[in-house]
Amino acid sequence: EAQVTQNPRYLITVTGKKLTVTCSQNMNHEYMSWYRQDPGLGLRQIYYSMNVEVTDKGDVPEGYKVSRKEKRNFPLILESPSPNQTSLYFCASSLRGPNIYGYTFGSGTRLTVV
Amino acid sequence: GDSVTQMEGPVTLSEEAFLTINCTYTATGYPSLFWYVQYPGEGLQLLLKATKADDKGSNKGFEATYRKETTSFHLEKGSVQVSDSAVYFCALHSNAGNNRKLIWGLGTSLAVNP
Repeated sequence: EAQVTQNPRYLITVTGKKLTVTCSQNMNHEYMSWYRQDPGLGLRQIYYSMNVEVTDKGDVPEGYKVSRKEKRNFPLILESPSPNQTSLYFCASSLRGPNIYGYTFGSGTRLTVV
Repeated sequence: GDSVTQMEGPVTLSEEAFLTINCTYTATGYPSLFWYVQYPGEGLQLLLKATKADDKGSNKGFEATYRKETTSFHLEKGSVQVSDSAVYFCALHSNAGNNRKLIWGLGTSLAVNP
């Protein structure tokens, strides 16, 4: 089944403890992206990647890192999480870009930082 | 800059009622337009899209027509079902810069009662 898989689905952590949210897609998509979804603010793009070893900042990159060493994986790293990073996170992929091909989204990761 | 404005929810309808969710946009150039749907506890799914003026996108009984003269892309369905209860997002593709970026509306929650 074609899908984007995120792990974990739920995570509660403490301020400052490094964490990684994994994202993997099995569709050979070139484009991958991370979003956070917050009430009243909608979806905001954190980082995106147009292909392997090519990443760039989205609208809200502060406090996050990403890497794209392989085409299928695009992990999101929070080096020192803070409470304002409590949110619902989505990974998404697209064949060559969401402008024409649309996105396939993962099921989301609900992160709580205390 | 480019933007998308959706009608605020929540929208509550009875089964078999007619649905309209308004979406208007501002954009330079000729954007592509999308509707995504998010069912409870899931990621977003592409519902339909239109890439040029007067195009009609359709899927699962939903339709939306790209109206350049009114800069609108309203979502309609003739007879909603309980299973249509979800949050609906309008989005446009921004031609600005190299990021194949989607500009998102804030979402409209729909609840359909039996």
